[in-house]
Amino acid sequence: DAGVIQSPRHEVTEMGQEVTLRCKPISGHNSLFWYRQTMMRGLELLIYFNNNVPIDDSGMPEDRFSAKMPNASFSTLKIQPSEPRDSAVYFCASSPTHAYGYTFGSGTRLTVV
Amino acid sequence: TQLLEQSPQFLSIQEGENLTVYCNSSSVFSSLQWYRQEPGEGPVLLVTVVTGGEVKKLKRLTFQFGDARKDSSLHITAAQTGDTGLYLCAGLTGGGADGLTFGKGTHLIIQP
Repeated sequence: DAGVIQSPRHEVTEMGQEVTLRCKPISGHNSLFWYRQTMMRGLELLIYFNNNVPIDDSGMPEDRFSAKMPNASFSTLKIQPSEPRDSAVYFCASSPTHAYGYTFGSGTRLTVV
Repeated sequence: TQLLEQSPQFLSIQEGENLTVYCNSSSVFSSLQWYRQEPGEGPVLLVTVVTGGEVKKLKRLTFQFGDARKDSSLHITAAQTGDTGLYLCAGLTGGGADGLTFGKGTHLIIQP
């Protein structure tokens, strides 16, 4: 099993540009989560999906952030337009259900200049 | 307001020593999990505890869930340099319809 796969590993972009982060969960996992990690705020839940349906997006900071899960094997997190304060490490995680332990990807380090 | 408070925030000790880190909250959790994160990687699950008073052991690591299911501790015996990392606790609240809420973690450094 290849685990949760995220791409890209690193992204540097200019303020105002659109950024798309990608995630492939573990096959058979029904729950998928997007987290953001910063030194100041730690790991924050942005949104989670259950069976491809968004369940809780209350952590999405602004309308500039959007997430989709078109099928069980792929999800995207989009930021448009990006701002310097969006700089962080973004993690995707999956789980058989939301109540089980999560398997995290290696993260995408986003830098907005 | 942080739902889960972890202490200490930073801890540096010598190899071979014992240590305990704590995870506290005013909220009741249906389950609590501990993760370890190394630089440049995502958190990796160590253990899940679900019953108040539960104790689980993973080699030199001992995890305890408080009787009231509001707090937890992680004790490491005879620490090794390989134990270095960020230790995170995370909890599920209420009916469990939400995702895991994480503490900010304890940065642990084991010096040779």
